Amino acid sequence: KAGVTQTPRYLIKTRGQQVTLSCSPISGHRSVSWYQQTPGQGLQFLFEYFSETQRNKGNFPGRFSGRQFSNSRSEMNVSTLELGDSALYLCASSIIAGETQYFGPGTRLLVL
Amino acid sequence: SQQGEEDPQALSIQEGENATMNCSYKTSINNLQWYRQNSGRGLVHLILIRSNEREKHSGRLRVTLDTSKKSSSLLITASRAADTASYFCATDTGANSKLTFGKGITLSVRP
Repeated sequence: KAGVTQTPRYLIKTRGQQVTLSCSPISGHRSVSWYQQTPGQGLQFLFEYFSETQRNKGNFPGRFSGRQFSNSRSEMNVSTLELGDSALYLCASSIIAGETQYFGPGTRLLVL
Repeated sequence: SQQGEEDPQALSIQEGENATMNCSYKTSINNLQWYRQNSGRGLVHLILIRSNEREKHSGRLRVTLDTSKKSSSLLITASRAADTASYFCATDTGANSKLTFGKGITLSVRP
């Protein structure tokens, strides 16, 4: 089975712009979670989707949003980018909640 | 907020030695997972141990879980230079796939 894929792998944006990141889960996995990793805050949970529904959200401002499609692919969007949004964004998929989460390679976002 | 706290924060050992990393957490969990990360890349899943399990093995890895002490340990036996990476423990409370990570342990294995 192919692993979790994320596109793009690298992205450079300027403050105030918006960005959309994409994640394709492992085939058959219906749960997709997103995490942000920064040197200062470490790995933090953004949100989780299952069957196109957001079931859980982390402590992030409303500028961070996401969605899941019927084929379980997911996108996350960050609007009005700030310098502090520079991070590695990781997507993970699992068959159901409570099972192993498999991570993609991440999208490294740099905001200038 | 971070639930897991790994210990030590950094570990340097010689190839062939064993590496032991510890993780403590604060709340009740459904399972605890260990991950490896190389140079800021994606996380590689190592092992999952459920709250009703005490010990699990996978190749050179041995994980223990003590729910009464809210702690876990990861043992890597006969370490190799390729084991050099950051290691994270992550707890899952069972509520909708939210993993809470510790700050990670940097392991350096000297050839």
